Amino acid sequence: AQSVTQPDIHITVSEGASLELRCNYSYGATPYLFWYVQSPGQGLQLLLKYFSGDTLVQGIKGFEAEFKRSQSSFNLRKPSVHWSDAAEYFCAVGYGGATNKLIFGTGTLLAVQP
Amino acid sequence: DAGITQSPRYKITETGRQVTLMCHQTWSHSYMFWYRQDLGHGLRLIYYSAAADITDKGEVPDGYVVSRSKTENFPLTLESATRSQTSVYFCASSAYRDTEAFFGQGTRLTVV
Repeated sequence: AQSVTQPDIHITVSEGASLELRCNYSYGATPYLFWYVQSPGQGLQLLLKYFSGDTLVQGIKGFEAEFKRSQSSFNLRKPSVHWSDAAEYFCAVGYGGATNKLIFGTGTLLAVQP
Repeated sequence: DAGITQSPRYKITETGRQVTLMCHQTWSHSYMFWYRQDLGHGLRLIYYSAAADITDKGEVPDGYVVSRSKTENFPLTLESATRSQTSVYFCASSAYRDTEAFFGQGTRLTVV
């Protein structure tokens, strides 16, 4: 069965520090992968997506993610975190080869220290 | 305004009551989805629809009913609400099967 694992429930980083959020997936074929961000009381906003091609994907707000097939991973990175990046981050995989029907990880809550 | 809107944003209801959550999108997207968000589970798919009058179950459909008589609307009904259905519900839509989904702001439902 398809699944997504985000091993870190809660991460705290200092403003200006680099960030890496981990995501591992389970899927037999090439997956469609996504990172969404949810600010408090808000809906989900798409940060970036991987469908095919270049394994390093650039997204909005200075985020990037790298697809590593050998590790079944799609980790999210940002070189310098801003206080406004504090939010919950969800990794998701397209279900059954679809890009719009999603299986989500449990999320990682990011706190940013001044 | 264009986009996807959910109503109400907040709802408190009693156990056993019927409650309907509304979702409306102005993009004429073919696909619409309902997810619920619970601590420790992330978002889980309840039901989805590929077009008007076509709906299918997701991961956690029990206790929910959906309909889609018009492309732009996808209401979710809890026929007899239970405390375990206390959650935040998100509606989403996408144009086609191979395009990304866009999410509404969510409805926080509390069943007492």
